[in-house]
Amino acid sequence: SQELEQSPQSLIVQEGKNLTINCTSSKTLYGLYWYKQKYGEGLIFLMMLQKGGEEKSHEKITAKLDEKKQQSSLHITASQPSHAGIYLCGADILGGGNKLTFGTGTQLKVEL
Amino acid sequence: NAGVTQTPKFQVLKTGQSMTLQCAQDMNHEYMSWYRQDPGMGLRLIHYSVGAGITDQGEVPNGYNVSRSTTEDFPLRLLSAAPSQTSVYFCASTKEGEGYEQYFGPGTRLTVT
Repeated sequence: SQELEQSPQSLIVQEGKNLTINCTSSKTLYGLYWYKQKYGEGLIFLMMLQKGGEEKSHEKITAKLDEKKQQSSLHITASQPSHAGIYLCGADILGGGNKLTFGTGTQLKVEL
Repeated sequence: NAGVTQTPKFQVLKTGQSMTLQCAQDMNHEYMSWYRQDPGMGLRLIHYSVGAGITDQGEVPNGYNVSRSTTEDFPLRLLSAAPSQTSVYFCASTKEGEGYEQYFGPGTRLTVT
């Protein structure tokens, strides 16, 4: 069973369009991490959210954690080809901070 | 800082062979872990360690052994490789406790024939 559901599984957008990726848990999230992965490469840390209602931004990427701390969204504004890759959410659902459970990932393609 | 390093980058094994995947970090992190990544499955935790001399099992530990003799190194041993262990393996490290970024190595792509 998948404790962390990520949607959509894949996404194709035209350059310049906005998009949103969701990460949902049935359990309280003590910490929620967003990573980006290029095919065949390691994971690049994007953002970490801990508090209910928290929102963080980096360049054109914004991540939010809902008030109940069971869902996070990652929003990309005006997508670019450099945004293409696999986006993974990882969550601390046990508390303690270290053992992460990951979603299955969202593959993003940006068409010119 | 080199961060988290993994060797080898690629490996092909025959069924029944054993090998060790190396992982090292130079950030003095207490916590280290091994994940495997398979298509459609996300990353799954194999083993983890909260400090030298302390290891524990994750979600999918069968067929793998670990040890942590130093803070820096956390090798993963495949005792008798099976085709089901074909995967990409990632090592990660972080400070102990909540709210710290997990740093990932570049991965080892393992194929078992």
